[in-house]
Amino acid sequence: QQQVKQSPQSLIVQKGGISIINCAYENTAFDYFPWYQQFPGKGPALLIAIRPDVSEKKEGRFTISFNKSAKQFSLHIMDSQPGDSATYFCAAGRRGTSGSARQLTFGSGTQLTVLP
Amino acid sequence: DAGVTQSPTHLIKTRGQHVTLRCSPISGHKSVSWYQQVLGQGPQFIFQYYEKEERGRGNFPDRFSARQFPNYSSELNVNALLLGDSALYLCASSLLRGDETQYFGPGTRLLVL
Repeated sequence: QQQVKQSPQSLIVQKGGISIINCAYENTAFDYFPWYQQFPGKGPALLIAIRPDVSEKKEGRFTISFNKSAKQFSLHIMDSQPGDSATYFCAAGRRGTSGSARQLTFGSGTQLTVLP
Repeated sequence: DAGVTQSPTHLIKTRGQHVTLRCSPISGHKSVSWYQQVLGQGPQFIFQYYEKEERGRGNFPDRFSARQFPNYSSELNVNALLLGDSALYLCASSLLRGDETQYFGPGTRLLVL
């Protein structure tokens, strides 16, 4: 029930195209859904995050779509660029004890390659 | 501003040994979380500390332990190392008030032979 399932495992997109990565969760206790970007040799960096009370959030070229009833959310990268080539992780967070940060459960990752 | 720093960057140990990994959070951040990232997988939650108290523990054996110091830095200890402990160990810090983002360090790459 703690799993977050992510697909596809890898994705190849032409420059200027749209990259779409999907995630699904089971635990309804999750109330925070971030997406992280990770380059080789680096730690994950937050791209964008959403709460379940909204269905969509956009920041620049990155958009999260959230479907609470289906327990699914997705990341859309518009006008994909070669510099976007990285591994993307979805995550789901639930608050722990009082005063603590959310404990994140990550998906398995999507290796995105944007061809020039 | 300095981000989350971790040391060492790389480490090679043999089975049965003990290892200590260190993390310094972003200045002002009082919450530190540890994650294990096995090659090709997403990070998996190990521990969370806030104000020097353990606030959460993932599904890891008792060989894994951690602590947080008065300056909010943290150590992750792993005893009786197994080959399967080979992974990237990530530390993340959070401000909590007004910004719940977890900021990750570059990680410590541990190889157990």
